[in-house]
Amino acid sequence: QQPVQSPQAVILREGEDAVINCSSSKALYSVHWYRQKHGEAPVFLMILLKGGEQKGHDKISASFNEKKQQSSLYLTASQLSYSGTYFCGTESMNTGFQKLVFGTGTRLLVSP
Amino acid sequence: DVKVTQSSRYLVKRTGEKVFLECVQDMDHENMFWYRQDPGLGLRLIYFSYDVKMKEKGDIPEGYSVSREKKERFSLILESASTNQTSMYLCASSSRLDNEQFFGPGTRLTVL
Repeated sequence: QQPVQSPQAVILREGEDAVINCSSSKALYSVHWYRQKHGEAPVFLMILLKGGEQKGHDKISASFNEKKQQSSLYLTASQLSYSGTYFCGTESMNTGFQKLVFGTGTRLLVSP
Repeated sequence: DVKVTQSSRYLVKRTGEKVFLECVQDMDHENMFWYRQDPGLGLRLIYFSYDVKMKEKGDIPEGYSVSREKKERFSLILESASTNQTSMYLCASSSRLDNEQFFGPGTRLTVL
């Protein structure tokens, strides 16, 4: 069963903030975030491991709530280059380690 | 510069044909994956290999098989292509240590 991402799509003006959520019904070991620009391959952003950690990378950060099996990706002061589709991938004890189940994606458009 | 390459960017085949999609990685990764990507469905795992000659079914293995005879190469085989296998196929690889997945550029397969 795929994790649920919300929202499905979001439109921002440059400089605005956005939050993308990823929710699973399974007990998770890790959550991975990827961004795919139009016509390109998905690119890794970050991994969050069981333990409820938060990670940051430039103006993009993420959190993992182990109790709720939820992760959120925070995009701060968005730039045009942030446009693309964001996928979360979850790794759980049920599906086996090293295998990811991806959500259906969140399309983000940043306009000038 | 790390790389995952796929044999074709675009492929057109006829129903019933046997189709081979090839993927090569130069990072000495243990894990290799085949996904298909369809609009609104995200990335769905077809097969996964964690070592040479080892394979595991993903979420949608029906109609597909795989082969991994060498560590750097992972092949996806459509034994008898059908129109519902028209899709974008993405290959990825990762190290067993951190499971950050590196994706190839994808093969857009059309089955007529």
